Amino acid sequence: QQPVQSPQAVILREGEDAVINCSSSKALYSVHWYRQKHGEAPVFLMILLKGGEQKGHEKISASFNEKKQQSSLYLTASQLSYSGTYFCGTFSNTGNQFYFGTGTSLTVIP
Amino acid sequence: DAGVIQSPRHEVTEMGQEVTLRCKPISGHDYLFWYRQTMMRGLELLIYFNNNVPIDDSGMPEDRFSAKMPNASFSTLKIQPSEPRDSAVYFCASSLGSRLYNEQFFGPGTRLTVL
Repeated sequence: QQPVQSPQAVILREGEDAVINCSSSKALYSVHWYRQKHGEAPVFLMILLKGGEQKGHEKISASFNEKKQQSSLYLTASQLSYSGTYFCGTFSNTGNQFYFGTGTSLTVIP
Repeated sequence: DAGVIQSPRHEVTEMGQEVTLRCKPISGHDYLFWYRQTMMRGLELLIYFNNNVPIDDSGMPEDRFSAKMPNASFSTLKIQPSEPRDSAVYFCASSLGSRLYNEQFFGPGTRLTVL
């Protein structure tokens, strides 16, 4: 029931773009995205509630395809501060159970 | 404003001992979540409360684990007896409003080591 994220790890140079995918075997009600830096707690990025909804700001955005039970996080023109592990989190369609994904380690190098 | 407060930050104990982790959510938040994070299993939701009432505890691994929320500003996660495989970082998080579309604010975590 844990969502599967891909890739598991990615290394980028500053200014490059990345896409992180989150896929669930269960129907989803909402998708949450968090970033966790080493030794710290996860920090909220955004939530997507409706199918097809896209949210975010200039350089970090996300989409949610309800029919495919997938979400993608887009990071453009990456900065060193983007380094960390990214987790998607999903509520089941009953709304009661919440699962974090397997995580994607992203490293941005100069 | 103070964020989510957890104590202790580090706990080292011996197998068989009772361990109690504490959490103070952000004032006014009505949801409280307990998570466990390990390299092997990732970030797992153990239990969460709404207005001090447990909503889902399906993630609690076994009867050795118990959680309480006696009031809106305090929650405990207890492990009795503790085992080495319980070693992990335990996070508490709180949120306001619908759990489905509101962000969770995480505390700094408690690193538990069971020898």
